[in-house]
Amino acid sequence: KAGVTQTPRYLIKTRGQQVTLSCSPISGHRSVSWYQQTPGQGLQFLFEYFSETQRNKGNFPGRFSGRQFSNSRSEMNVSTLELGDSALYLCASSLSSGSINEQFFGPGTRLTVL
Amino acid sequence: QKEVEQNSGPLSVPEGAIASLNCTYSDRGSQSFFWYRQYSGKSPELIMSIYSNGDKEDGRFTAQLNKASQYVSLLIRDSQPSDSATYLCAGLSGNTPLVFGKGTRLSVIA
Repeated sequence: KAGVTQTPRYLIKTRGQQVTLSCSPISGHRSVSWYQQTPGQGLQFLFEYFSETQRNKGNFPGRFSGRQFSNSRSEMNVSTLELGDSALYLCASSLSSGSINEQFFGPGTRLTVL
Repeated sequence: QKEVEQNSGPLSVPEGAIASLNCTYSDRGSQSFFWYRQYSGKSPELIMSIYSNGDKEDGRFTAQLNKASQYVSLLIRDSQPSDSATYLCAGLSGNTPLVFGKGTRLSVIA
């Protein structure tokens, strides 16, 4: 069974631009969560989608948004990029939502903002 | 605020020894706990899940959960240099987001 895939793997943008990242979950998984990982802050939760609905949202500004499609694929968008948005963006998929749900991570998209 | 605390390390152990990684959590409602291994420059990889009090063994790995003490641990027996990585502990409560600790860096010395 194929794992979680993320595209692109690497991105270089300049301040003020916007970016869209894509995540395809493991086949059959309906929940997708997004995280930002930086050396200083560790893994920070961005949002979770389940059956095309945002179920949870982390403490990030409105410049960060996401969506999920009917095939469970998910995208996240960051508008008006800032230098501090440079990070590894990870998505993780799980079968559904709830307390007994293992999350499996994709390889991540490394975003560099210049 | 729900928190998961881990000692950042580095934790250094000789090859063949037992590595013990610890984690405490603040949310008494947390029901499930997970250990992830993350190599430098890579994404986290799930290595153990534990849902009830006691021990759970999988190969060289043993996860231990004590809900009364709000404590989770991961033991790695016969540690190998390939086990050198950052280990992330995470807790989950109902439909709320997974909460991660900042990780413990493990170094296994050959």
